[in-house]
Parts: sequence; structure tokens; C-alpha cells
Amino acid sequence: GAGVSQSPSNKVTEKGKDVELRCDPISGHTALYWYRQSLGQGLEFLIYFQGNSAPDKSGLPSDRFSAERTGGSVSTLTIQRTQQEDSAVYLCASKGEGTGELFFGEGSRLTVL
Amino acid sequence: AQSVAQPEDQVNVAEGNPLTVKCTYSVSGNPYLFWYVQYPNRGLQFLLKYITGDNLVKGSYGFEAEFNKSQTSFHLKKPSALVSDSALYFCAVRDRTDSWGKLQFGAGTQVVVTP
Repeated sequence: GAGVSQSPSNKVTEKGKDVELRCDPISGHTALYWYRQSLGQGLEFLIYFQGNSAPDKSGLPSDRFSAERTGGSVSTLTIQRTQQEDSAVYLCASKGEGTGELFFGEGSRLTVL
Repeated sequence: AQSVAQPEDQVNVAEGNPLTVKCTYSVSGNPYLFWYVQYPNRGLQFLLKYITGDNLVKGSYGFEAEFNKSQTSFHLKKPSALVSDSALYFCAVRDRTDSWGKLQFGAGTQVVVTP
């Protein structure tokens, strides 16, 4: 696609429910990143995928968080048993070859009641 | 390990005046440096980057940034600010030896430009 696409743009859920957030990167980009932006906070790295290499999961805050990337393209971030502190904007970005910048999607705003 | 510091939570400037947003970094090797801007309820948009070469980098919307290795800084500047420049600005760094690695972002600086 022309840009990074994320869905849903907004998600309201009840505490304890599971949620899935989807990211469709720019076509041909082999690297995909997930960041979290809490209200009034900076960007917190969660996880990144590069080609067929094992993902860097070092930023996932707990084992309730997981992500997968199917076929080297679309990625899904799953949060199990959501907590109120999970409320944030989840940003996805992709990157192509070389030293270039990350291209970000518009984000998925998650609100846990 | 790499880190970025943006010492100012907010910068206030009058329209037409120069705008500077400060950024310092720490990285074990040589850095790749980036500036992004975020408008309300939007994702991050790329402004400019320093990879190598000229220390003065020019980017989108009239912004520029100067890489200063001795001071480990990469301050963002604009000679004449516009009200439409009001937004949240993020500095980011990546170690040059890890071109696929994650970007480390600063906490962000809110820029408010008043008419």
C-alpha cells in the first residue's frame, strides 16, 4: 500500500478482555516495529521484526503481550487479559533497505475500561 | 545502549521568531539521528535525518538540524516559526552498526507557536 495501515483506529474494551491490533506495512518493507505511546509520554519500543530473523521482543512489557508477523507482511499485536494501564496508542512502523527512516501508521488507540 | 534526551517538555515561541528544539544523544558507536513530528491524533511524520556527510541537514517544512559530535547534540531549528508548526517533536537515534535495529526515541517536546 501507499502507507502503513493500522486497524482498528480506536478500540474500547473491558478489563480482562483480549484485543488484537493489526498493522499492514508498506509493500516491500522487510522491517516492522511496534511502539506504544501512553498519554503524555514518549514512544516505548515493544517489538520488531526483520525479514525471517527471530523478532526482537525485548520491549514487550509482560507475557500478556505477543505479536506475530505472517508471510513477512501483516503483523498482529495481541494483548491478553487487558488491564487499564494498557490504555495507550499503539503505533506500527515499517522500514525498507538501508539507513532510512521508519514510516509510521496513524496508530490504534486502545482504551481499557 | 542508546538513549536520547530532550531537555524541554515544552517550547513556546511567537510566530515569526526562530524555533529551536534541543536533543542530545548517547550511543556506543556512531549515530544515525532523526527528527519526527506528531500532530494531534496522528502518527509520526519524518522531518529529517543525519546519516553522514554535512553536519547541517535540511528537511521538510523549512526545518533543519545540526549534528554536533563533540556535544553529542542534534538540535532542530527553524528560522521563522509558523502557528502550524505547533506539534509534538521527537528526536530519535540508532547505532550506526545496527541499521535494522529499533530507533530509540526521546520523550518529545511540545512546541507551541503563538500568533
